[in-house]
Formats: sequence, C-alpha cells, structure tokens
Amino acid sequence: GESVGLHLPTLSVQEGDNSIINCAYSNSASDYFIWYKQESGKGPQFIIDIRSNMDKRQGQRVTVLLNKTVKHLSLQIAATQPGDSAVYFCAENVHGGSQGNLIFGKGTKLSVKP
Amino acid sequence: ETGVTQSPTHLIKTRGQQVTLRCSSQSGHNTVSWYQQALGQGPQFIFQYYREEENGRGNFPPRFSGLQFPNYSSELNVNALELDDSALYLCASSDGWKANVLTFGAGSRLTVL
Repeated sequence: GESVGLHLPTLSVQEGDNSIINCAYSNSASDYFIWYKQESGKGPQFIIDIRSNMDKRQGQRVTVLLNKTVKHLSLQIAATQPGDSAVYFCAENVHGGSQGNLIFGKGTKLSVKP
Repeated sequence: ETGVTQSPTHLIKTRGQQVTLRCSSQSGHNTVSWYQQALGQGPQFIFQYYREEENGRGNFPPRFSGLQFPNYSSELNVNALELDDSALYLCASSDGWKANVLTFGAGSRLTVL
C-alpha cells in the first residue's frame, strides 16, 4: 500500500558530527517530498523540500537526497547542534492529489549529545 | 507576520461527547488543512478547506467535520468522541490549495476518557 516509513526510529549523535536520517516511500506516483522537524510541544516545522525531478537539494546545513530507483529519501544535517534535537518526519505528496494531503512517516527522533 | 494559532491547547472530554477545535491561519494564507497526530506517530491528513469549502479529505469518518470562515480561520468538529480520538490535532495553513509548504500550528491536545 501507499506508505512512507523510516528505517531508524531513534538516532543519537555527538555534537558537531553529521547526522543522516533515512526514509523509504512506496508510492512511485509521489512527486514531491518534504522534511519536517518537530520539537517537543510544537507543530512540525518545514526544513527542506525536493521535487521528484531532482536528486539533491541543499539548504543551510541540510541536504536532502532522493533516490527514485530504490524509493529512498535522506536528510543530512551537517555539524549537528543540540538545537537539532527533535523528531524528524519525511512526507510525500502524491501527484494529482490534494496539495494539503501530505503522507507522513512515523518519524525519527534525533538526540544530540553535547 | 503572525503564525498559525490554535485553541484550546489542551482539553479533556469523555466518550460520546463533542469537541470543537479552532485555528487561525497565518496572515496571507487562505487554505487550512487539519491533521491528527497520535502519540509516537506521524500526522495523518483529515481534510483541507479552501474558500470555505472542503477541498480534499483523508480516511476519517463523517463525524469529523469542519468549517472555514471568510477570514480563513477554521474549526474542526468531532462528534461522538471515541477513546482512539485522543491525539494532537494540528492545523496547517498555506497560500492556496496548490501550495506544498504547510505552516503548522502547535496543535490542540485532546484526551478522551
């Protein structure tokens, strides 16, 4: 069925190290992907997005990679900081679907050790 | 520029009761989407409102209903509450129904006893 899932439910990294959060999706019709960060007590916050016609997109300290062959998405965070501690969700939007209908994965909790 | 605000932040109801949750969209945004987030899960799409009409719905029963007002604010109503309705309800606004980037509020935490 259609689903977005994550390989690792928790990830613990040392401050200053790079973090990689992975996500698998199963719907080949998805044409848009977003990473959200959710801190405790807050709503999801947009980090970075990528369209299916791209393989890579970079932001400030973050990079998203898309591998359509194996339906895999990853979020790389460079020089991870304590403020990066949160739950990270990947979400997909199916081509032709309601634009508000993002399909979210379960999330990966990132813990940054000082 | 104000963000998305939701009220109440927390509430407790009993099974069978009805609840209304409210959302004010971000300034300049005319579209509102509602999501349900169970503990330890990702958000699930309930429905979207654009120009005061429902513009897409997820896999939720009819007892979940909504409204959007001329000022683009929105309400989520849930009738005949069930224990499984306990969740964080998130409102997100966007600039047009085609916009992919959603701005989320902090949510309303509903507990059904």
